[in-house]
Amino acid sequence: DTAVSQTPKYLVTQMGNDKSIKCEQNLGHDTMYWYKQDSKKFLKIMFSYNNKELIINETVPNRFSPKSPDKAHLNLHINSLELGDSAVYFCASSPGLAGSHQETQYFGPGTRLLVL
Amino acid sequence: KQEVTQIPAALSVPEGENLVLNCSFTDSAIYNLQWFRQDPGKGLTSLLLIQSSQREQTSGRLNASLDKSSGRSTLYIAASQPGDSATYLCAVRPDSNYQLIWGAGTKLIIKP
Repeated sequence: DTAVSQTPKYLVTQMGNDKSIKCEQNLGHDTMYWYKQDSKKFLKIMFSYNNKELIINETVPNRFSPKSPDKAHLNLHINSLELGDSAVYFCASSPGLAGSHQETQYFGPGTRLLVL
Repeated sequence: KQEVTQIPAALSVPEGENLVLNCSFTDSAIYNLQWFRQDPGKGLTSLLLIQSSQREQTSGRLNASLDKSSGRSTLYIAASQPGDSATYLCAVRPDSNYQLIWGAGTKLIIKP
């Protein structure tokens, strides 16, 4: 059984389009995250939700909007895609809050986004 | 500003050898340090988490050490196997906020 799943795995789209990436975890975790991994392989946190509430919102363009319909799902919607949005996006979850003793994060397989 | 560096960027060793991966960080005020493994086309897998009060953690053939004062952590892999081939990432959580600050990783190749 997949613990943290993301769809789609690959996404190729034109500049200016709007797209969504979905994430689901079946671990019963309270906290979920979105990360962006750039071409240099650095991971940067974008958002974090705890029990459907936004707790971390890093400096990302307003074109990126996370949505958490329930604590098992955290979707990422991107408006007006730009070339620089091309990256691998990882979803993750943890039992507790980041910085707590239940913070071990479990990652999804990633979504490879290519904007043409 | 906390920065995390992993050297070397890539490492290739014969199967069976013991090896050490290095991680250094610029600010010793950390809450914890974590080692992850990333396989191509897959997500990251958490390997070991060391709290700032700890000096090492062990899991199977893996041993991670932490020396806060010198800003260093090492990941020791004993009796390496081809299945250990992956990119190993180190991430530091500063005391002051929730973010994990990531290194760029060491790509490890174990040759059969």
